[in-house]
Amino acid sequence: DTGVSQDPRHKITKRGQNVTFRCDPISEHNRLYWYRQTLGQGPEFLTYFQNEAQLEKSRLLSDRFSAERPKGSFSTLEIQRTEQGDSAMYLCASSAGTVLGPQHFGDGTRLSIL
Amino acid sequence: AQSVAQPEDQVNVAEGNPLTVKCTYSVSGNPYLFWYVQYPNRGLQFLLKYITGDNLVKGSYGFEAEFNKSQTSFHLKKPSALVSDSALYFCAVRPPSSGSARQLTFGSGTQLTVLP
Repeated sequence: DTGVSQDPRHKITKRGQNVTFRCDPISEHNRLYWYRQTLGQGPEFLTYFQNEAQLEKSRLLSDRFSAERPKGSFSTLEIQRTEQGDSAMYLCASSAGTVLGPQHFGDGTRLSIL
Repeated sequence: AQSVAQPEDQVNVAEGNPLTVKCTYSVSGNPYLFWYVQYPNRGLQFLLKYITGDNLVKGSYGFEAEFNKSQTSFHLKKPSALVSDSALYFCAVRPPSSGSARQLTFGSGTQLTVLP
């Protein structure tokens, strides 16, 4: 399978704990995106990488959130001191380095905060 | 800032009938427009995109969309619906300039149900 892979698929944790998600993009894609989707809503942009450089961050990305893409391949999204409002589906997408390339999404990590 | 509106939360259509899922957008300049489909507990699957050129865009699974600049709309259509088309559909827009944000702005989604 050469699609975007996300791990884990589901994460249940207690409020206040830290969590980390991983995304492996399509191998030839140099652009990687993180989105958050809550029930009944469309995905909302969190952050964007071109290779290893984090080029954009949404105001939704509070200081408890951090994302990395250390070697320009896989990426991690960490949430520190989780809160109830962090419960959502976290989606990763990747695209090729062309203006016209569509974003291809993984199946997401569903985070539930107890 | 760009925005997308999907005015219908739910669309029901009988199998074999044509379907339309509506989308209007607001963005400065000429937009890049996309449709995605999402099945339960899955990520979004790309259906089609409009970048420039012909206003009628053909995509995956027999779907097509019509770009209308004067009405700022990008409605998704299919001539004959299948039960398997039942899913959540999202319209998205991206600003056109290479110097601006590359992220997609999504609508709130339309749940399509095709009745057998």
